[in-house]
Amino acid sequence: DAKTTQPNSMESNEEEPVHLPCNHSTISGTDYIHWYRQLPSQGPEYVIHGLTSNVNNRMASLAIAEDRKSSTLILHRATLRDAAVYYCILISSNTGKLIFGQGTTLQVKP
Amino acid sequence: GAGVSQTPSNKVTEKGKYVELRCDPISGHTALYWYRQSLGQGPEFLIYFQGTGAADDSGLPNDRFFAVRPEGSVSTLKIQRTERGDSAVYLCASSLSLASSYNEQFFGPGTRLTVL
Repeated sequence: DAKTTQPNSMESNEEEPVHLPCNHSTISGTDYIHWYRQLPSQGPEYVIHGLTSNVNNRMASLAIAEDRKSSTLILHRATLRDAAVYYCILISSNTGKLIFGQGTTLQVKP
Repeated sequence: GAGVSQTPSNKVTEKGKYVELRCDPISGHTALYWYRQSLGQGPEFLIYFQGTGAADDSGLPNDRFFAVRPEGSVSTLKIQRTERGDSAVYLCASSLSLASSYNEQFFGPGTRLTVL
């Protein structure tokens, strides 16, 4: 599975937008880009995924670069509950197994 | 509806003992995954089931680890002769229908295993 690179940590103020970047320069044409997050003392939680086009759901938006070598998870209005570790994961195989990296720890300040 | 449940939530055992960790997936989910997470690290894949069969066990660290899913729903992760390095949170996840690169996985709260 192709590798992703994310910043170790980011900070945001409550009710402001947050842009979480992810680089995946070795992505292949069949790799899906998934984002999960893990709140303290909980299991990971699915956030969003995409292949080529930008995606929106109730939790977030996913902006995918035209060459697909990077993507950005956008939280439109951060809340304290959004403080978590965010993982950007590429999935290419039919097993769907998730290969987690270190993720980005997001701190949200009131 | 009910999510993925795992029991026990915490397990403390002594080095050399045998432990079993249980996972109840979401009803109707045919794909089931086990991961483990050490402190400060992201989860690490262990094994995945499609129905009753283990389709990919490439993440199991050694032959002390074994998992079963005899009826295609509940799964048990079994660890023999536990070692202190096995201490971690063991996470279970399930997904609908065939495991694929686009189905989301639903995670349980995990079992925290401590080997003294």
